[in-house]
Amino acid sequence: AQSVTQLDSQVPVFEEAPVELRCNYSSSVSVYLFWYVQYPNQGLQLLLKYLSGSTLVKGINGFEAEFNKSQTSFHLRKPSVHISDTAEYFCAVSPYGGSQGNLIFGKGTKLSVKP
Amino acid sequence: DSGVTQTPKHLITATGQRVTLRCSPRSGDLSVYWYQQSLDQGLQFLIQYYNGEERAKGNILERFSAQQFPDLHSELNLSSLELGDSALYFCASSPPTGVNTGELFFGEGSRLTVL
Repeated sequence: AQSVTQLDSQVPVFEEAPVELRCNYSSSVSVYLFWYVQYPNQGLQLLLKYLSGSTLVKGINGFEAEFNKSQTSFHLRKPSVHISDTAEYFCAVSPYGGSQGNLIFGKGTKLSVKP
Repeated sequence: DSGVTQTPKHLITATGQRVTLRCSPRSGDLSVYWYQQSLDQGLQFLIQYYNGEERAKGNILERFSAQQFPDLHSELNLSSLELGDSALYFCASSPPTGVNTGELFFGEGSRLTVL
């Protein structure tokens, strides 16, 4: 079985500051890794994904994440946030060979960007 | 706009009642997934259909059922409703690819309130 832990439920940050949202996972098999974003009153949208290859992946809106297999982490970073980045961010995993949609999500991190 | 349409957006009903949530996937997508998002459980995968057939099952209660019709729209039926069923129910779809990319396109959700 797999599980995902997002270490911070809420992260307040000032505009133009850097941010890191932390994600750790547990799995007995290899997994694919994802970050999804949910803006207020909207559905989830894929931000970025790690399937294989380079451990540093870049996504939309200037976000990037680094896969660290030894630490079973997939932290999300952005060097300078904007007010419009205020949203809830979800880390998710999917086991190799599993159903495409059977994503196991973390509890989410609410990013609040203040002016 | 993800292209996934869910109706109704909001629904208020009483305990013991039955409701039906409807989802139209993106044009060309064969897979439909249902997720439940609640404050205590977070995002939970319920069930997946692919081209009319059940493909994978998650934490779906026996009181809940789903189906996908020949035109590929899907319905999630929730019966004998309890207070704890109050949640946001998301539908998602994905394109017909043999590769697990983990990219799902989510609708805006149906918010169910059970009183």
